[in-house]
Amino acid sequence: QKEVEQDPGPLSVPEGAIVSLNCTYSNSAFQYFMWYRQYSRKGPELLMYTYSSGNKEDGRFTAQVDKSSKYISLFIRDSQPSDSATYLCLLGGADGLTFGKGTHLIIQP
Amino acid sequence: EADIYQTPRYLVIGTGKKITLECSQTMGHDKMYWYQQDPGMELHLIHYSYGVNSTEKGDLSSESTVSRIRTEHFPLTLESARPSHTSQYLCASSESFAPGGSPLHFGNGTRLTVT
Repeated sequence: QKEVEQDPGPLSVPEGAIVSLNCTYSNSAFQYFMWYRQYSRKGPELLMYTYSSGNKEDGRFTAQVDKSSKYISLFIRDSQPSDSATYLCLLGGADGLTFGKGTHLIIQP
Repeated sequence: EADIYQTPRYLVIGTGKKITLECSQTMGHDKMYWYQQDPGMELHLIHYSYGVNSTEKGDLSSESTVSRIRTEHFPLTLESARPSHTSQYLCASSESFAPGGSPLHFGNGTRLTVT
């Protein structure tokens, strides 16, 4: 079992829908949780950074961390075609950093 | 916005050539990283550095080498390029010494094609 599991998709939703992206992990040593967005042929761009359980909101994006369940989520409200990209979770702890494989998201106009 | 720059953005080169991929950051970050990413695939850590004169190999074995003579500069070198080296190479930096204590900031990558 990999340390971080993320469904690669593709996940296709209509414009305006609420999108839910998720990662699960097995190592309870992870303490920091990040979400990145990566457009084709570009580097990953940091969207959200959290280090505690609960929710963190930034505009249309909400990051949710449940350390007891070892589960993190990124919600996108009012999704736009420009949100079409690959979304990667990145988990950090004393042992270093581990990426999820990324979920390819497609927002249909 | 993070200031980390990679050059060249695209490179097509013949087998056997020596190449250096450049990465520079203006944020004064101590930690720097090189990741390799094939199209549509996950990122693999190939090298990282804690600071000047520090270099470590990552999780994925790589025939490349790196150096860290200046804080802001972390070049990656391939002595003899092969078609198997064709990939996207992403450079990143972070502020903190704590492994998970600070987010990574990425450059836009170098897409290398070896013919």
